[in-house]
Amino acid sequence: QVQLQQSGPGLVKPSQTLSLTCAISGDSVSSNSATWSWVRQSPSRGLEWLGRTSYRSTWYYVYAASVKGRITIDPDTSKNQFSLQLHSVTPEDTAIYYCTRGAAGGFDSWGQGTLVTVSS
Amino acid sequence: DIQMTQSPSSLSASVGDRVIITCRASQSISSYLNWYQQKPGKAPNLLIYGASSLQSGVPPRFSGSGSGTDFTLTISSLQPEDFATYYCQQSYNTVRITFGQGTRLEIK
Repeated sequence: QVQLQQSGPGLVKPSQTLSLTCAISGDSVSSNSATWSWVRQSPSRGLEWLGRTSYRSTWYYVYAASVKGRITIDPDTSKNQFSLQLHSVTPEDTAIYYCTRGAAGGFDSWGQGTLVTVSS
Repeated sequence: DIQMTQSPSSLSASVGDRVIITCRASQSISSYLNWYQQKPGKAPNLLIYGASSLQSGVPPRFSGSGSGTDFTLTISSLQPEDFATYYCQQSYNTVRITFGQGTRLEIK
């Protein structure tokens, strides 16, 4: 059974960097069959996929156009986890952030969610 | 981006009712359509993948159908624990994954 455990601050100041980590148990971030994504949810934007990383003999990264240029998703094989960094945040980035595993169909495992508020 | 439009946005039903939720894609997505259930304060939970395949552990009263642009999620006999918000999601364009806006299922 795959479990994803999120950690990171719930309050970030405008213009600073939002940083979250997702620790994986029951699978490997280096799996050749899974992908590892971040999704956020807000009343104004609904569910919004932000990007993913995956390993297929080399590491791949795909980012949503809405956050491209501000986002970094990094795997950490030594700790079996992956992280999200979102730079230059504004109040519009206030949302619940989820990490999730993509398998053969859909996102089948989710972290518990982290409410991140962007405010001074 | 592929736009996913769900209808209705909200729905009132009673325990035992048969409920159908519709999802329409702005272009053909073959069968790359997934359904999720989300309860307040919880992460979404995968119910159906590939338009009609039941995720392991999901009760068989949930079923999905459709292909191309039009899809449905059917709950054959509503149970009290089914009152939640339901989302569709397309995985056809894997670099532009998008979700529907959600359908809130409430108790009548």
